[in-house]
Amino acid sequence: EPEVTQTPSHQVTQMGQEVILRCVPISNHLYFYWYRQILGQKVEFLVSFYNNEISEKSEIFDDQFSVERPDGSNFTLKIRSTKLEDSAMYFCASRVGQAANTEAFFGQGTRLTVV
Amino acid sequence: RKEVEQDPGPFNVPEGATVAFNCTYSNSASQSFFWYRQDCRKEPKLLMSVYSSGNEDGRFTAQLNRASQYISLLIRDSKLSDSATYLCVVSANSGGYQKVTFGTGTKLQVIP
Repeated sequence: EPEVTQTPSHQVTQMGQEVILRCVPISNHLYFYWYRQILGQKVEFLVSFYNNEISEKSEIFDDQFSVERPDGSNFTLKIRSTKLEDSAMYFCASRVGQAANTEAFFGQGTRLTVV
Repeated sequence: RKEVEQDPGPFNVPEGATVAFNCTYSNSASQSFFWYRQDCRKEPKLLMSVYSSGNEDGRFTAQLNRASQYISLLIRDSKLSDSATYLCVVSANSGGYQKVTFGTGTKLQVIP
């Protein structure tokens, strides 16, 4: 069964450092998303991406965040200068289409710990 | 009012019990509704979509009430393996794109 894969599974970084979280969406999917989940809290939308551009972003997704699809397969989330409060589980998701009833498939997540 | 609202629980129920979760949403233009299941420290996985006429999948039944803007999930004959957090997910058109919003999740603990 095709799946969304994320690397690394766990990343520890020092405050102020840049991190890049990587995702490989399902190959025929066209819509890509990043979500985060702070431990014990809800899943929060960060950004959606289609046709090589951001289609929507939340207020969490400030200038410190950026996304890229550099080579047609990887979908990356970069945090430029990490803060302690960026510590969370980051989930990548993809959908084959934009129809309302299309299922989103999630990767297993990257646990980011900022120290 | 939150976009998608759920009782966080936890719901502690004995094995074999029936349990129901509700979820309310604020955007009346919402188009699609889902229940996802999330195990501890794992990714959310689709449990079932929610159709206007209601739908059933084994022990799980989902209902949608558009007039009152809520969806529900009923689990019959609870198993220990049903212990998880159940996420209500709502999809709505937002400027030509589908915005997918998660509820906070309802934690279910099935006890022997």
